Amino acid sequence: EAQVTQNPRYLITVTGKKLTVTCSQNMNHEYMSWYRQDPGLGLRQIYYSMNVEVTDKGDVPEGYKVSRKEKRNFPLILESPSPNQTSLYFCASGGVSYNEQFFGPGTRLTVL
Amino acid sequence: GQQLNQSPQSMFIQEGEDVSMNCTSSSIFNTWLWYKQDPGEGPVLLIALYKAGELTSNGRLTAQFGITRKDSFLNISASIPSDVGIYFCAGQLRNNDMRFGAGTRLTVKP
Repeated sequence: EAQVTQNPRYLITVTGKKLTVTCSQNMNHEYMSWYRQDPGLGLRQIYYSMNVEVTDKGDVPEGYKVSRKEKRNFPLILESPSPNQTSLYFCASGGVSYNEQFFGPGTRLTVL
Repeated sequence: GQQLNQSPQSMFIQEGEDVSMNCTSSSIFNTWLWYKQDPGEGPVLLIALYKAGELTSNGRLTAQFGITRKDSFLNISASIPSDVGIYFCAGQLRNNDMRFGAGTRLTVKP
C-alpha cells in the first residue's frame, strides 16, 4: 500500500529535550515536506526537500532541522523544543507533480 | 510570508445544497490545489490546477485557477453528508514554497 508513515503519532515531552519525528514514504517520491497545523492558521510549511541531500526552508523553519540522506526518509528534528512548538505535524511526499502531495497521518506533539 | 486568505471560515448547509469557497492572495502562485481533511487524518488532494484560467472538475467538485494567478475557488454541487470536513486551498509559489489557507470547515445537515 502506497503511504507516508510518521512516528510517533503522539508525543509529550519537556522543554529542551531533543526529539526526532520520523517520516518515511514507499512511493519513491523525490519531494518531501514537513508542515505544522495550528488552529486558525491552516498548515504552514517548515522545510521541504526536492531530492536527496537537498533541503530548503519553508515558511516557518525556526527551531527545526531536517535531513534527507535517503530518498524514502525525511526526519524532523527539534534540537531544543519549546512550548510554542506544540502542534500537529504532518509529513508529505510528492512525485513528478510534486505539489500533488500525499500526507502522513500526523504527529501530535506537546511540549511542556 | 505570503498568505492565502480563505473564506468562508465555516459553512453549515443542508444536504443537497451547493457550496462555494475561495482563496485569495496578494502573491502570484504557479499552482493552486484543493485538499480535504477528515478528523484525525492528513489532508487528501481533491483537485490540482496548473494554468491561469483553468477550470477542472472531479465528480461533484469544480475548481478554477484565477486569471490573475492570485485566487482560486472550489465549488461542491449537491452536497452529501460525507462532504463534511475541512477544505484547504494551497498554492505553490515561484520558489517552490507551499502556502495553505486557514481552511473552510463544512458541516452538512441531513
